[in-house]
Amino acid sequence: SQKIEQNSEALNIQEGKTATLTCNYTNYSPAYLQWYRQDPGRGPVFLLLIRENEKEKRKERLKVTFDTTLKQSLFHITASQPADSATYLCALRQPNAGKSTFGDGTTLTVKP
Amino acid sequence: NAGVTQTPKFRILKIGQSMTLQCTQDMNHNYMYWYRQDPGMGLKLIYYSVGAGITDKGEVPNGYNVSRSTTEDFPLRLELAAPSQTSVYFCASSTSAELLGDTQYFGPGTRLTVL
Repeated sequence: SQKIEQNSEALNIQEGKTATLTCNYTNYSPAYLQWYRQDPGRGPVFLLLIRENEKEKRKERLKVTFDTTLKQSLFHITASQPADSATYLCALRQPNAGKSTFGDGTTLTVKP
Repeated sequence: NAGVTQTPKFRILKIGQSMTLQCTQDMNHNYMYWYRQDPGMGLKLIYYSVGAGITDKGEVPNGYNVSRSTTEDFPLRLELAAPSQTSVYFCASSTSAELLGDTQYFGPGTRLTVL
């Protein structure tokens, strides 16, 4: 089965810096990979999706890259703000599957 | 649209009791999911459904049952509650359109404690 590893440690950065979160997977390549944000006590909220034939996706201050050779996705938040503090989850969806597999998440804290 | 709604928000059960967690979505999504999330951990898939009348097991189905009689509703049944089922339960839905990449919309969660 698919195994997903995200940054094992929580990430603490200074406001204004770029946060980079990692999502590594094993076994077969997913059809696409998603990133979600989860705030304490709330359900995850979808942020970005990148497909296996795409290298990079951007949305405002967010950027996602996808390297199927390294089996890795990187999630960047530029010009980070304290409001970006949350847990970020990556999720992988196999081709023709009716479900996704989620990583354990990385908790990001942006200090003013 | 209300999106995905879940009831109740909180519940305390005694060992051996049963209960049903309700989940409703108003987005006409074919796919629906139940996850559990233990403290500091990611989401574990319990059951999912690709349409009314069709359900399938996820990663951690033991101790749970589901049904999907309508597109909108996907209740999760706990029989003989155990302390190991103490967790936060999230329901989610998504469209079957591959173009939209299974973007999942989550409910607010049900916090369940089994004592």
